[in-house]
Amino acid sequence: AQSVTQLDSQVPVFEEAPVELRCNYSSSVSVYLFWYVQYPNQGLQLLLKYLSGSTLVKGINGFEAEFNKSQTSFHLRKPSVHISDTAEYFCAVSPGSYQKVTFGIGTKLQVIP
Amino acid sequence: DSGVTQTPKHLITATGQRVTLRCSPRSGDLSVYWYQQSLDQGLQFLIQYYNGEERAKGNILERFSAQQFPDLHSELNLSSLELGDSALYFCASSGGLAGEDTQYFGPGTRLTVL
Repeated sequence: AQSVTQLDSQVPVFEEAPVELRCNYSSSVSVYLFWYVQYPNQGLQLLLKYLSGSTLVKGINGFEAEFNKSQTSFHLRKPSVHISDTAEYFCAVSPGSYQKVTFGIGTKLQVIP
Repeated sequence: DSGVTQTPKHLITATGQRVTLRCSPRSGDLSVYWYQQSLDQGLQFLIQYYNGEERAKGNILERFSAQQFPDLHSELNLSSLELGDSALYFCASSGGLAGEDTQYFGPGTRLTVL
């Protein structure tokens, strides 16, 4: 069984400030890890994914995430946020195929002007 | 625009009714996935089809069924609807079966059961 915990349901941050959205997972097997973004009234869009290799993963829109196996974490970071980053962000884990993906409950990022 | 289309965008119906949600995957994608997003249960995987065949089932109720047609579009059928079925239903597609393939989501169908 696998699970995902997104530690913060809402994160307010001022524009141009850095942000970190936290994600911890548990799984008995090796996993693939994903971050998705959902803008209001839209579907999910893949930000980045970790499959193997380098633990620092760079994604779209200036986001990056670091896979930490010992801490079972996959936190999402951006050095300077923009108003347009206001959205809900979902961390997800799968054992290697999308059909068994488990999503976290989501973190709402609110960028304050 | 992800290239995945879903119709209708909104659907309002009554308890006990049956509805069909439609999804057209991105051109060339063989895998189609259905997800349900609700306030109380979050995002849940329902079912996956690959090139017309069912490949995996998640938390899909027996009242729900799906199929993928030869032209690769997919339909999700929801019957004997209950208030708790009100949710956003997303379709996603990917090229194949591997986790390495990027999954693209459609804009969703919002189902309201009154």
